[in-house]
Amino acid sequence: GNSVTQMEGPVTLSEEAFLTINCTYTATGYPSLFWYVQYPGEGLQLLLKATKADDKGSNKGFEATYRKETTSFHLEKGSVQVSDSAVYFCALFNQAGTALIFGKGTTLSVSS
Amino acid sequence: EAGVTQFPSHSVIEKGQTVTLRCDPISGHDNLYWYRRVMGKEIKFLLHFVKESKQDESGMPNNRFLAERTGGTYSTLKVQPAELEDSGVYFCASSQLTGKSYEQYFGPGTRLTVT
Repeated sequence: GNSVTQMEGPVTLSEEAFLTINCTYTATGYPSLFWYVQYPGEGLQLLLKATKADDKGSNKGFEATYRKETTSFHLEKGSVQVSDSAVYFCALFNQAGTALIFGKGTTLSVSS
Repeated sequence: EAGVTQFPSHSVIEKGQTVTLRCDPISGHDNLYWYRRVMGKEIKFLLHFVKESKQDESGMPNNRFLAERTGGTYSTLKVQPAELEDSGVYFCASSQLTGKSYEQYFGPGTRLTVT
């Protein structure tokens, strides 16, 4: 079946550090891939997406590349800020399905 | 454009009581989804409406959960009777019926605590 595995948190970084949150998936066919973010006290927001192999999604300095050969969609940011502290969810949408399938979420805490 | 709204934001009830959660999707979005996140675990799909019809309710945990979407607008999710394991955050999301149907917009969630 379809599933998403992302690295367990929490991830604790200092401001301006490099961030990587690993995400791998299992799916039939060619799913669309997403990163969602939940800031404290807020709902889920779409951070970025990629709909086909080798696509790179990017937003707010975050990037992730759809790698079909390694079934991965790792989230990266070159220099994190305190305001990036949040829970990050990797997710996939399979065209054969009807709903998003999420990973467990990774809590990021950035200190100044 | 107004986003997805959910009410209440937080509900605390006792085991055995009934709670009804409400979701108002983005205007014009025919797809409406309910998800749930139990603490520390994945956000899991509960069910999917297309307009007023249930397209997929494979994620509903048991018959204590009843979802409705009368008129194809807002949706309600009723839990009756609530159990301790129902505690969690319930998210609603909506999307267009065609085109970028995969791009779902989420509400802020309802945090349900069953004591």
